[in-house]
Amino acid sequence: NAGVTQTPKFRILKIGQSMTLQCTQDMNHNYMYWYRQDPGMGLKLIYYSVGAGITDKGEVPNGYNVSRSTTEDFPLRLELAAPSQTSVYFCASSSQAGSVDGYTFGSGTRLTVV
Amino acid sequence: RKEVEQDPGPFNVPEGATVAFNCTYSNSASQSFFWYRQDCRKEPKLLMSVYSSGNEDGRFTAQLNRASQYISLLIRDSKLSDSATYLCVVNEVTGRRALTFGSGTRLQVQP
Repeated sequence: NAGVTQTPKFRILKIGQSMTLQCTQDMNHNYMYWYRQDPGMGLKLIYYSVGAGITDKGEVPNGYNVSRSTTEDFPLRLELAAPSQTSVYFCASSSQAGSVDGYTFGSGTRLTVV
Repeated sequence: RKEVEQDPGPFNVPEGATVAFNCTYSNSASQSFFWYRQDCRKEPKLLMSVYSSGNEDGRFTAQLNRASQYISLLIRDSKLSDSATYLCVVNEVTGRRALTFGSGTRLQVQP
């Protein structure tokens, strides 16, 4: 099925550990995004990409890194996990920045840092 | 000031009721507006885009007031299945080319 696939769905990390959240889309979308959502809050933009090889910081980039080597993949890297990074992470893609079709979201990764 | 502000609710309404949600945005350069729906522990999904002339999709009506920087969503004849969080979303074409999400308004429709 076409869409955005995120892995893993759940993960528990210890403080200081690192991990990569994977995101893949098969819709040939140029734009991809990483958001985090804390309980009872809206989504906050971490990083985004407007095409392969191009990434830019969002509202809350500290503690994260991204890369975009292909159109399909947009992994998010946490280098030194901290309890403040406990959140639900959503990856999304769109065909253009202001697309009236909106974003297609992955089902999310629930991360707990202990 | 938050870029997109919404009343968090919850709005508790009986089935069949009409309910309205409001949202304000701070960036006057914003050009695209949306309402997303998010079910508990799920990803957000596009409910409808919001156009300057106002638009309707079945029981849902969205309106935009650019002068007041205000967006609204009206749900008529509420169903139990409408229970969810409704996110007001704005696209800013200057600076970050990404959607900015409000914190959401929670709706609980009761039998």
